[in-house]
Amino acid sequence: DAGITQSPRYKITETGRQVTLMCHQTWSHSYMFWYRQDLGHGLRLIYYSAAADITDKGEVPDGYVVSRSKTENFPLTLESATRSQTSVYFCASSTPGDSYEQYFGPGTRLTVT
Amino acid sequence: GENVEQHPSTLSVQEGDSAVIKCTYSDSASNYFPWYKQELGKRPQLIIDIRSNVGEKKDQRIAVTLNKTAKHFSLHITETQPEDSAVYFCAANSPGVGGGNKLTFGTGTQLKVEL
Repeated sequence: DAGITQSPRYKITETGRQVTLMCHQTWSHSYMFWYRQDLGHGLRLIYYSAAADITDKGEVPDGYVVSRSKTENFPLTLESATRSQTSVYFCASSTPGDSYEQYFGPGTRLTVT
Repeated sequence: GENVEQHPSTLSVQEGDSAVIKCTYSDSASNYFPWYKQELGKRPQLIIDIRSNVGEKKDQRIAVTLNKTAKHFSLHITETQPEDSAVYFCAANSPGVGGGNKLTFGTGTQLKVEL
C-alpha cells in the first residue's frame, strides 16, 4: 500500500480556483487511474492512462485535465473548481499481465466552497 | 459504454449468517469482474475477482459466481463476522486506449453484520 501515495490528503479551495491533485506510485505500474467517489454514485472513472503520454477519458472527465510525463506520476488538475467537484478522489494503478488488480491510493478529500 | 447495477444498496445480517450481493452488467465483451471492499475512511481493496472463463471462484468464506448468459455476477459471504461490515463494490472491465482495463463500478452495498 505504501507504493501509491496521494497529496494533499485534504484540500479546501474556492470556486473558480485551479487545483492539482498529485498521485505517485513506486511500482512502475504502466496503468494509472483517477476516480471520484460520491455518496450514491460509487466510484466513477475520470481519466485513465496506459503509459507516459497516453491518456483516455473515463465516465466523468469534464472539468478535469490530466498529464503523464513520467510513469510514476499522474496529476489531476481541476482547471476551475466548482462545488459539484467536491468529492473524495482516488488514484489507482495496475500492472500489465495476468493480474488486472487495481491498487488504490489513500484518497484526497476535496471541498470546494 | 459499460453499465453496472448493484443490489441491494444496504444489507443487514446477523453474525454467522450468509450475505449475497448481486450485480448486472451490460457489455457482453466484459471478461473481468472484481469485487472491492471499502472500510470506513479507507481505500477500496480487492477481495476476489473472476474471469469470464470461470463460473465460480472461492476463497475461504467468500465466493463469486458468474452467469455470462444472463450478464450477472454475485458475491457470497458465508459465516459473516463483524469485521465483514463495510461497503462492497462490484465492477466490470472494458478496454482502455493503449491496453489495460478500465473498470465501471456498481454503486456499492453497505453491509452491516450485527452481533
